[in-house]
Amino acid sequence: AQSVTQLDSHVSVSEGTPVLLRCNYSSSYSPSLFWYVQHPNKGLQLLLKYTSAATLVKGINGFEAEFKKSETSFHLTKPSAHMSDAAEYFCVVSVDRGSTLGRLYFGRGTQLTVWP
Amino acid sequence: GAVVSQHPSRVICKSGTSVKIECRSLDFQATTMFWYRQFPKQSLMLMATSNEGSKATYEQGVEKDKFLINHASLTLSTLTVTSAHPEDSSFYICSAREIGGTYMTPLHFGNGTRLTVT
Repeated sequence: AQSVTQLDSHVSVSEGTPVLLRCNYSSSYSPSLFWYVQHPNKGLQLLLKYTSAATLVKGINGFEAEFKKSETSFHLTKPSAHMSDAAEYFCVVSVDRGSTLGRLYFGRGTQLTVWP
Repeated sequence: GAVVSQHPSRVICKSGTSVKIECRSLDFQATTMFWYRQFPKQSLMLMATSNEGSKATYEQGVEKDKFLINHASLTLSTLTVTSAHPEDSSFYICSAREIGGTYMTPLHFGNGTRLTVT
């Protein structure tokens, strides 16, 4: 079975400070992992993806994530938060086989607030 | 980059009427499109998977006769909410996977449709 756990429903940071959004996953098969961002009343935009190549993945807008198989984690980080980063972030898993081939499993989301 | 256009962005309808939502892939072809429903402050809930030229696969608990999905071409899928009721009010989002894509291929999402049933 596949599942995604985003450990924090809300994260608040000050502008210019680091961001850490935590994600743990469970998968019976080799996973691909994604982080998406959603601004209010908008669809989801891809930030970055892990697909079994380099474990440290760089994405758009200065975000990056590290795949740690031993910890089944895929935490999202950014060195310095910007006001425009305030949004909802989703960690997503996709698997390579079985009846759920290609289906996405979403975490519950983490709301990031950035204070000036 | 790949763009998914979803229309309308907002719609208000009266109880008992039907509403159609369109999802178009503008610069790529999509054999598979997905429809989600999102409640306030919650994650996306997969409603159905739509494959071009075949019947949609609905998730457990989703009424196929109420949420009609048609995927008539490689660039267009539609969701029709039939006989809408206030409890159908929600944010509906579509996504598309490029033709030939695999489980490693990111989906492209539309901007969503806010449906309000009065």
